[in-house]
Amino acid sequence: GENVEQHPSTLSVQEGDSAVIKCTYSDSASNYFPWYKQELGKRPQLIIDIRSNVGEKKDQRIAVTLNKTAKHFSLHITETQPEDSAVYFCAATRPSSASKIIFGSGTRLSIRP
Amino acid sequence: GAVVSQHPSWVICKSGTSVKIECRSLDFQATTMFWYRQFPKQSLMLMATSNEGSKATYEQGVEKDKFLINHASLTLSTLTVTSAHPEDSSFYICSAEGGGLLNQPQHFGDGTRLSIL
Repeated sequence: GENVEQHPSTLSVQEGDSAVIKCTYSDSASNYFPWYKQELGKRPQLIIDIRSNVGEKKDQRIAVTLNKTAKHFSLHITETQPEDSAVYFCAATRPSSASKIIFGSGTRLSIRP
Repeated sequence: GAVVSQHPSWVICKSGTSVKIECRSLDFQATTMFWYRQFPKQSLMLMATSNEGSKATYEQGVEKDKFLINHASLTLSTLTVTSAHPEDSSFYICSAEGGGLLNQPQHFGDGTRLSIL
């Protein structure tokens, strides 16, 4: 079945440095790749997304890249700040209604002051 | 826009109790709603997909007789955990598809933390 693998499971970076989280997906029909940030006890919040017709997308300090051939996509956070500390999930879904979101296993990001 | 309200936000109850969780789309019609379960330090795992006016589709390994889902209107889906036991303690999150806003396929509720004593 569909599967999304995410690495690393934990990541600790110095404040101001960059953080990179990588994911791979198995379903070649997937065409929408959202990234979620989840703080403890809260809902997942969409922080950025990318569709399969685009290779890269940037929003201020956050960027996502997609290699559809290799089925890889990555999240890049630059100039990290303490408030970036959270759990991040990548996900993949197909282009249809009632389409399941398949989540990665999550990355716990800690920003060291 | 595209607000999903989930209630209650947390509940503590005795083993054997049945618990109902509501998921409402406040400003859009949700033809499809999804129910997820999240154990501590784990990812969100889809339990079932709920379509208005029809039976829910359950994921493999999820007991449909234990987790009853009703989607009677385009703005409300309910999840009832029947005869809950301590192993059912988890964070339950719903999401709703619809609204057509911001290209988001699903909008998430705030979650319900269920603790069974």
